[in-house]
Amino acid sequence: ILNVEQSPQSLHVQEGDSTNFTCSFPSSNFYALHWYRWETAKSPEALFVMTLNGDEKKKGRISATLNTKEGYSYLYIKGSQPEDSATYLCALEDFGNEKLTFGTGTRLTIIP
Amino acid sequence: GAGVSQSPSNKVTEKGKDVELRCDPISGHTALYWYRQSLGQGLEFLIYFQGNSAPDKSGLPSDRFSAERTGGSVSTLTIQRTQQEDSAVYLCASGDGSSYNEQFFGPGTRLTVL
Repeated sequence: ILNVEQSPQSLHVQEGDSTNFTCSFPSSNFYALHWYRWETAKSPEALFVMTLNGDEKKKGRISATLNTKEGYSYLYIKGSQPEDSATYLCALEDFGNEKLTFGTGTRLTIIP
Repeated sequence: GAGVSQSPSNKVTEKGKDVELRCDPISGHTALYWYRQSLGQGLEFLIYFQGNSAPDKSGLPSDRFSAERTGGSVSTLTIQRTQQEDSAVYLCASGDGSSYNEQFFGPGTRLTVL
């Protein structure tokens, strides 16, 4: 059983502040790391698929980094806005395994 | 195009009743997944269909749970003799099997067992 952990479990951030949170995973047999954003009453939406050690991806104010050797990924949000309030999920894809193993998520609340 | 749809969006049932949850994947997607999220838990894999291959049922929590996928498209997840611990959000996702297993999720069905 793969153990994908996310921290913190929840986070309150003042509007305009920047924040980041962590996804850690077993690094053996790594294939890809997925980040999703899940807003209340909506479908989880794919943010990034990260595959290479040292990868950094960016989408607007959101960016993510990947360290496959030590088994972690960071998600950063710059200048938080109320619409960033959501649960952020990471999911590990192992080589040869088409199932994703999800973490429990970080629930982010932006305070106006 | 249309995304993944699920029905019903909410279902309240009494303990012991059977329920059926439906998923319509994105047209042309060969892969279909069912997950659930119980309160305070992560997304838990239930079952995976890929084309005409035998489904991967390794995540089904008990023999009360079953799923089928007819004609390689629509899927139904059936829970027999529901228990209170079955209360969760059930999510369906589909994928085209191309790069890195990107999955597109439906809005989910919130199941409450009284």
